Amino acid sequence: GAGVSQSPSNKVTEKGKDVELRCDPISGHTALYWYRQSLGQGLEFLIYFQGNSAPDKSGLPSDRFSAERTGGSVSTLTIQRTQQEDSAVYLCASSLAYGNTEAFFGQGTRLTVV
Amino acid sequence: AQSVAQPEDQVNVAEGNPLTVKCTYSVSGNPYLFWYVQYPNRGLQFLLKYITGDNLVKGSYGFEAEFNKSQTSFHLKKPSALVSDSALYFCAVRDKDTGFQKLVFGTGTRLLVSP
Repeated sequence: GAGVSQSPSNKVTEKGKDVELRCDPISGHTALYWYRQSLGQGLEFLIYFQGNSAPDKSGLPSDRFSAERTGGSVSTLTIQRTQQEDSAVYLCASSLAYGNTEAFFGQGTRLTVV
Repeated sequence: AQSVAQPEDQVNVAEGNPLTVKCTYSVSGNPYLFWYVQYPNRGLQFLLKYITGDNLVKGSYGFEAEFNKSQTSFHLKKPSALVSDSALYFCAVRDKDTGFQKLVFGTGTRLLVSP
């Protein structure tokens, strides 16, 4: 596709339910990032995938959060037993493998836990 | 580990005046540095980057940034602000030398340009 695509754009879920957020990166981009942005705040790094290397999971806030990337393309971020503090915008970005290249962001998924 | 500091939560400037949004960074090696802008209810858009070479980098919408290695800074500037520049600005860094490609962002600075 032309850009990074995230779905759904909005998700309202009940506390305690599991949710899956999807990210389709730009074709050919081997690096993929997930960030979390609370209302009007900064970007909190969650996880980073690069090709076939082991992902950098150092930003995942708890073991309720996990992510996978299938076939080096589409990524899914899963939040189990959602809590109200998980409410935020979840942003996905992708880039080429080289560190000097910029990352391109999707429009995000706004998650609301009620 | 790399980190970015944006010391100002908000910058206020009158339209037509020059603007500066500050950013300092910390990496163990040499940096790749980036600026992004986020308009309300929109995703992040890339503005400019410093890779190597000239310390003054020019980017989109008339913005530029100056890399200063001794001060570990990469401040964003524009000679004449527009009301439409009002947005949230993020500085980001990658460490060029350690092989870690994680892109780390600052906390963001809200720019408010008044008419």
